[in-house]
Amino acid sequence: EAGVAQSPRYKIIEKRQSVAFWCNPISGHATLYWYQQILGQGPKLLIQFQNNGVVDDSQLPKDRFSAERLKGVDSTLKIQPAKLEDSAVYLCASSPPTRLGGELFFGEGSRLTVL
Amino acid sequence: AQSVSQHNHHVILSEAASLELGCNYSYGGTVNLFWYVQYPGQHLQLLLKYFSGDPLVKGIKGFEAEFIKSKFSFNLRKPSVQWSDTAEYFCAVNRHSGYALNFGKGTSLLVTP
Repeated sequence: EAGVAQSPRYKIIEKRQSVAFWCNPISGHATLYWYQQILGQGPKLLIQFQNNGVVDDSQLPKDRFSAERLKGVDSTLKIQPAKLEDSAVYLCASSPPTRLGGELFFGEGSRLTVL
Repeated sequence: AQSVSQHNHHVILSEAASLELGCNYSYGGTVNLFWYVQYPGQHLQLLLKYFSGDPLVKGIKGFEAEFIKSKFSFNLRKPSVQWSDTAEYFCAVNRHSGYALNFGKGTSLLVTP
């Protein structure tokens, strides 16, 4: 079974530039998550989708971050304009439709460096 | 506020030593509990999980965790660590299936030969 795919793996940009990350979840997984992991910290939820609807985006900095999941499958996370503090690994995860606790399956992440 | 606390940020052990990593959470009510591991250069992967039932949960690679409801704790243990256990370990909690996981800050484990 293919895992969660993310691209690009690495991105270096200057502050005030824009960047976009792409995620393709595991086939059949209705729920998709974007997390931000800053060096030395645990992953922090940015946004959760159920199919193509937003379940939770309370921690998404909406003045600069946006995310979409138009057809309920793959998703894009965009940052515009980027700030130095956005340097982090952006993790995409998906989970299957289950009532048993909801294990998340993670991609390898997209590492962003903002100069 | 709901939170997950991991007490040890950096742990260094010799091979064959025993491991215990602490995790406490501040949620009320029923929770689901997880330990994830991130090996160098790899993605986060599940070590073990607790939903209900036996509070002693066994996971992959000889790891286990004990849920103590009265202490709001879910500590990770392994009787004898190996060099290959060098990794970051994250405790995570959610309230219900389908809810996002709330992660602790992680513990970096280095096992020396």
